[in-house]
Amino acid sequence: FMLTQPHSVSESPGKTVIISCTRSSGNIASSSVQWYQQRPGSAPTILIYNNDKRPSGVPDRFSGSIDDSSRSASLTISGLLTGDEADYYCQSFDGSYVVFGGGTKLTVL
Amino acid sequence: QPQLVQSGAEERGPGASVRVSCKASGYTFTTYDIHWVRQAPGQGLEWLGWMNPNSGYTVTAQKFQDRVTMDRDIPTTTAYLELTSLTYEDTAIYYCAKEERTAAAYLWGQGTLVIVSS
Repeated sequence: FMLTQPHSVSESPGKTVIISCTRSSGNIASSSVQWYQQRPGSAPTILIYNNDKRPSGVPDRFSGSIDDSSRSASLTISGLLTGDEADYYCQSFDGSYVVFGGGTKLTVL
Repeated sequence: QPQLVQSGAEERGPGASVRVSCKASGYTFTTYDIHWVRQAPGQGLEWLGWMNPNSGYTVTAQKFQDRVTMDRDIPTTTAYLELTSLTYEDTAIYYCAKEERTAAAYLWGQGTLVIVSS
């Protein structure tokens, strides 16, 4: 299966943005979804694991969810900061294989 | 704290091979799988495969099955990725990552730039 993300999203500081990740086939809940943030020039870092869990150190402005009915996962970022400008990737598993979404560029303007 | 430190940038000609290393520290190396992910210039993340450092068992993405070898040296807690028959399209940053808590890449190395040029 594939994971499809919007190529880009933009929002103003202080607002809330939702980034979607849609699975092309099968149940979104059948394997966990992770989200990664990649700032320009840096390696990616984990934001959300197991659909909605935050590693220690990740602000609670970042939250994850899944929706079986739409076969989608979502990353919600509230209280946007200019420092949130980055690329965001979702990731899931197809059995023993790893699948990444194509990435979403977030612009905070 | 857990850390993955990768080897430095490499440049190779078309048809050559490259080996990238990933030294793990701050945790028990054999407990967590190591994944390899690459990112071509201006592109997204592409998964290459994973290895169980304890058993040496590997799973490789179908696209790379005939060109990728992953192995490890347990005494030095180092994982290796070898990519053969390089083409210009293999120019990318190659990352190793530690799997944990359902995330394939809970902790990332800093990346290794591989340039394929003539």
